[in-house]
Amino acid sequence: GAVVSQHPSWVICKSGTSVKIECRSLDFQATTMFWYRQFPKQSLMLMATSNEGSKATYEQGVEKDKFLINHASLTLSTLTVTSAHPEDSSFYICSASGLAGSYEQYFGPGTRLTVT
Amino acid sequence: RKEVEQDPGPFNVPEGATVAFNCTYSNSASQSFFWYRQDCRKEPKLLMSVYSSGNEDGRFTAQLNRASQYISLLIRDSKLSDSATYLCVVSTGGFKTIFGAGTRLFVKA
Repeated sequence: GAVVSQHPSWVICKSGTSVKIECRSLDFQATTMFWYRQFPKQSLMLMATSNEGSKATYEQGVEKDKFLINHASLTLSTLTVTSAHPEDSSFYICSASGLAGSYEQYFGPGTRLTVT
Repeated sequence: RKEVEQDPGPFNVPEGATVAFNCTYSNSASQSFFWYRQDCRKEPKLLMSVYSSGNEDGRFTAQLNRASQYISLLIRDSKLSDSATYLCVVSTGGFKTIFGAGTRLFVKA
């Protein structure tokens, strides 16, 4: 149990375009989902926390208008990188929580975004 | 000062060696502690939680020293498959989770 999927696993896009990444909890209802970003040889940095049906809470320094998060159902959250630039190239990882009232986070396999 | 600090390594050890990783955290209010393992270009996976009394899972032993705000992970009898980055993770409660930058381990035949 506790499987989280992400789609796509990798994407290459041109500067100025928008990219949507999906995060799904496959076998449990995720009341809370998290979006992280990881640059090479650096730690995971939390971007935002989202609860189903409410607005996401963004970490300091993360532009909410650039990184649009939607958590419309208990099994799906999406992150849209709007007007992507090369500096947005990174490994984006989602995690989900909500299994049996635990705070444990289950991570998706990540999405590698390259903006050219 | 970073909230969670780890020696980045890399640690290069032969198979069968014992290796120890250290981690320090700055927030004395931290409540939960974990070690995660991350393989190259993969998501982190929970290796073990760390308890005040220390805990062991097979070849892996985790220790917590709250007074010194220090966490350790000991790997005995290293295997080639242990090669990965080990992330120290600290939570101040609820979902507030801070990841260390990770320590890279290479186990050689």
